[in-house]
Amino acid sequence: DSGVTQTPKHLITATGQRVTLRCSPRSGDLSVYWYQQSLDQGLQFLIQYYNGEERAKGNILERFSAQQFPDLHSELNLSSLELGDSALYFCASSLTTRSFTDTQYFGPGTRLTVL
Amino acid sequence: QQQVKQSPQSLIVQKGGISIINCAYENTAFDYFPWYQQFPGKGPALLIAIRPDVSEKKEGRFTISFNKSAKQFSLHIMDSQPGDSATYFCAARDNYGQNFVFGPGTRLSVLP
Repeated sequence: DSGVTQTPKHLITATGQRVTLRCSPRSGDLSVYWYQQSLDQGLQFLIQYYNGEERAKGNILERFSAQQFPDLHSELNLSSLELGDSALYFCASSLTTRSFTDTQYFGPGTRLTVL
Repeated sequence: QQQVKQSPQSLIVQKGGISIINCAYENTAFDYFPWYQQFPGKGPALLIAIRPDVSEKKEGRFTISFNKSAKQFSLHIMDSQPGDSATYFCAARDNYGQNFVFGPGTRLSVLP
């Protein structure tokens, strides 16, 4: 158990809908990262937040947005969902702001299915 | 430019053998190269990482070899065990700390 929690575990929704994925980092970790894992695209970095502020941005679509709240939990919002958004979404956390070089601890993921 | 290539796609090794997974990159701005291990139904977990000023790093049975001039790095798993059966991803970070890319993964099966 990495100490990172993600909810929900599974999510099934329809095209065009909007969903919110939630992540609670390990106690004491200030950075949160979001990743998408799909059969087509593999593992892709989406976005990083550190202590509430956006720190790095990867291949995140404009339809997707994220934020990190004062209690350090983070939410990833996916809107106007398409079939191709079906994937596993992982959250990871790390202690500091050193982008990616701190050990990242991954959560169990949220499996999103868009029908 | 932002890609990391990884081979083989899958690998079958006998218990006690050596597993070797190779990665290559083009972007000279990459400055940190970790390897992740992922078991089915779990998130990836950091295994070992290396910076380009070092040619080799060893942690237990796991060794990263790094060839800066060839822009290649590899993971060696010595004395492979059935419990090592997992998918392995190499990755790279750009030196601006703004992007992090993964290889496509190698599914390793270690036969008992």
